[in-house]
Amino acid sequence: QSLLTQPPSASGTPGQRVTMSCSAGSSNFGTSWVFWYQQLPGAAPKLLIYRTDQRPSGVPDRFSGSKSGTSASLSISGLRSEDEADYYCATWSDSLRGPVFGGGTKLTVL
Amino acid sequence: EVQLLESGGGLVQPGGSLRLSCVASASTFNNFVMNWVRQTPGKGLQWVSAVTGSGTSTRYADSVKGRFTVSRDNSRNTVYLQMNSLRVEDTAIYYCAKIAVGGTTDFDHWGQGTLVTVSS
Repeated sequence: QSLLTQPPSASGTPGQRVTMSCSAGSSNFGTSWVFWYQQLPGAAPKLLIYRTDQRPSGVPDRFSGSKSGTSASLSISGLRSEDEADYYCATWSDSLRGPVFGGGTKLTVL
Repeated sequence: EVQLLESGGGLVQPGGSLRLSCVASASTFNNFVMNWVRQTPGKGLQWVSAVTGSGTSTRYADSVKGRFTVSRDNSRNTVYLQMNSLRVEDTAIYYCAKIAVGGTTDFDHWGQGTLVTVSS
């Protein structure tokens, strides 16, 4: 069972803004950074957001990350068909001494 | 741009062994903390193991500790994952991934993955 909980699915129409959540349950993200990965069908994951709200070079500013207390969020504005993918949140776990991933959210662009 | 290429996956019986390799195309390979991350259809992504740039420090997920060994050969720009006592639940796509310099959970480069199937 993942320490990070994500809704299994989300959807939106082109041009819409979609927000996906990542919950740390009873734990608090505290000072831990949150990371987001995008996995297109048949491809390896790709780093989308690092250190909670930073975008790597080449990631459009349509993608944004935030966190508050026990929850983190990934928002996509101006939704496009090519955004249809699985999205995973991740953070460092001191107890496990390693990174942990959420179960992923499958985003469908209607 | 760093390129990572895994190999060594395949079909193995429960209790068997397999060694995965990951070659990196980067002259600064010995600066990278390298990781193995696996993906199963039912459980998503799971971090497996990490090795520091020098190879002197390693970490493992509890589920593989004592069975898997990560190592690296910086002269060959290669990281390895020796997997022993394999179980059905180890079936997954195994990715090697590089951590961004100074990072902990920011895997900024990934290989294409190699499939490991453990089945009788």
